[in-house]
Amino acid sequence: AQRVTQPEKLLSVFKGAPVELKCNYSYSGSPELFWYVQYSRQRLQLLLRHISRESIKGFTADLNKGETSFHLKKPFAQEEDSAMYYCALSGRAGGTSYGKLTFGQGTILTVHP
Amino acid sequence: DAMVIQNPRYQVTQFGKPVTLSCSQTLNHNVMYWYQQKSSQAPKLLFHYYDKDFNNEADTPDNFQSRRPNTSFCFLDIRSPGLGDAAMYLCATRDSGAYEQYFGPGTRLTVT
Repeated sequence: AQRVTQPEKLLSVFKGAPVELKCNYSYSGSPELFWYVQYSRQRLQLLLRHISRESIKGFTADLNKGETSFHLKKPFAQEEDSAMYYCALSGRAGGTSYGKLTFGQGTILTVHP
Repeated sequence: DAMVIQNPRYQVTQFGKPVTLSCSQTLNHNVMYWYQQKSSQAPKLLFHYYDKDFNNEADTPDNFQSRRPNTSFCFLDIRSPGLGDAAMYLCATRDSGAYEQYFGPGTRLTVT
């Protein structure tokens, strides 16, 4: 069974501080990992995807297969980063579970001024 | 703006009274999903359509049905809502050649 665990429900940091949102997963095979974000009163939207290996809004996430983790990091948090963050997993392209997202429970990030 | 629209945003129904939630999209995506998100829980996939092909998740209750009359519209029918079906229902779309899912704003269902 596939599972995504986000151990922190709430995370508070001050502006300018580094932030790390933790995500661990279990999956038999090679998954695709994503971070989705939901800002206040907005819809859920994709933040980044592990295969892209890009930085979006200063956030990066590295897939660590040994630790089965996909932590989201930003060196200097901004107030506008305050939101709910979901880690999500799906099977690889070409497989039967491709596109079927399994979400973690989410972490509410609050960045204080 | 191309987008995913869900109507209504808030729905109140009575215990056992059938209810239908609606999702429409202007993205022309061929894959559409329905997720259920209960309070403080992760969104959970109920089923999805790949074009006209319906794909039910193994643990989705029989009480939940779906229809997709055309590419643009998808409906979630709850035949006999119970108190435990109160949740946010999210619709999402995806182009089969891409990975990103586009979500609607959700419909919050209350069962009285």
